[in-house]
Amino acid sequence: DIVLTQAPLSVSVTPGESASISCRSSKSLLSSKGITSLYWYLQRPGKSPQLLIYQMSNLASGVPDRFSSSGSETDFTLKISKVETEDVGVYYCGHRLEYPRTFGGGTKLELK
Amino acid sequence: VQLVESGGGLVQPGKSLKLSCSASGFTFSTYGMHWIRQAPGKGLEWVAYISSTSGTVYADAVKGRFIISRDNGKNTLYLQLNSLKAEDTAIYYCARSSTEGIDYWGQGVMVTVSS
Repeated sequence: DIVLTQAPLSVSVTPGESASISCRSSKSLLSSKGITSLYWYLQRPGKSPQLLIYQMSNLASGVPDRFSSSGSETDFTLKISKVETEDVGVYYCGHRLEYPRTFGGGTKLELK
Repeated sequence: VQLVESGGGLVQPGKSLKLSCSASGFTFSTYGMHWIRQAPGKGLEWVAYISSTSGTVYADAVKGRFIISRDNGKNTLYLQLNSLKAEDTAIYYCARSSTEGIDYWGQGVMVTVSS
């Protein structure tokens, strides 16, 4: 199974500043079709997860461009610029390269 | 797009439960669907997938005990949970699969396995 390791476990950010979250994969997430199969999700408190980023660097519909993502075949970074109150929650990375689908352990973003 | 789960509750170890997920706002029959669960205070765990043509895949933790199915005529996804264990206690989400990943999630339904 692909293991996704996120860091840090939690991050505390002053509103208006930036935050970065790392996700490392135990296996290359580059598919045979040349697509990097890395996805980012946000779960706000008491809510269902929502898709933020697909195929490593593409913003999902309705997601503000304060969110961006980049990486290689195994190391990925989600960056949130000008953090706002609505960004609070737990961020998960995930993949769809193969089964079983797996997720990182999550990174909790809080405001200072 | 709307996904609404139902059927959760408190069940004794070893018993069974059937979850439903009613889908609307998209052509249900053309999408693969997932069940994903989240134990209290824990992260996300993928459970099962069913393709638009009803091919299925299961996580090892539930293989042989859970059955995912769908009724395209009723726009409904199901998860039959058998031989339940305490470690199956979780919120169960149904979610839509697309080339953009798992792009829509339901609100979730709680399953508690306890005597």
